[in-house]
Amino acid sequence: EPEVTQTPSHQVTQMGQEVILRCVPISNHLYFYWYRQILGQKVEFLVSFYNNEISEKSEIFDDQFSVERPDGSNFTLKIRSTKLEDSAMYFCASTVEAGVETQYFGPGTRLLVL
Amino acid sequence: KQEVTQIPAALSVPEGENLVLNCSFTDSAIYNLQWFRQDPGKGLTSLLLIQSSQREQTSGRLNASLDKSSGRSTLYIAASQPGDSATYLCAVLYSGAGSYQLTFGKGTKLSVIP
Repeated sequence: EPEVTQTPSHQVTQMGQEVILRCVPISNHLYFYWYRQILGQKVEFLVSFYNNEISEKSEIFDDQFSVERPDGSNFTLKIRSTKLEDSAMYFCASTVEAGVETQYFGPGTRLLVL
Repeated sequence: KQEVTQIPAALSVPEGENLVLNCSFTDSAIYNLQWFRQDPGKGLTSLLLIQSSQREQTSGRLNASLDKSSGRSTLYIAASQPGDSATYLCAVLYSGAGSYQLTFGKGTKLSVIP
């Protein structure tokens, strides 16, 4: 069964460093998302992406964050200058049709900012 | 703003028991509702998706119901097994702002005792 994959599974970085989290969505899916889950808290929406542009972003998704689909298969989340409070599990998700079909989630990247 | 609440926060039952997990949401303008399973430190596995026009969905020992007008959903697990131990998350695809983001509850942590 096709699945969403994410790399790396864990990343440790120093505050102020840039990180790039990578996702490979399911191949025929057209809508892509990033969510995050701070330890012990709810899963929160960050951004949605369709047709090579951001379609929606939350107030969490400030200028330090960016997303890109560089090559038609990968979908990346970049945090330019990490802060301690960016430590969380980051999930990528994709769906074939937004608003109708299931969003399929990847296994997540656990980011720790020291 | 959509809010999703899940009760109880934790539940412990003996193996073989039937159980019900509850989810409520504040705004009935939803596209659909999804139930997910999350194992410790892992990603989200989609269990069931109920469209806003549907009343229930079934998959194996799982049955989810939706009462959109009252803002409630339940997940019924029949004949629980130790392998069902996980955190169960409810999420609504909110249409109030024209976006397709999932809003999650905090989850119910289920422990099934052998």
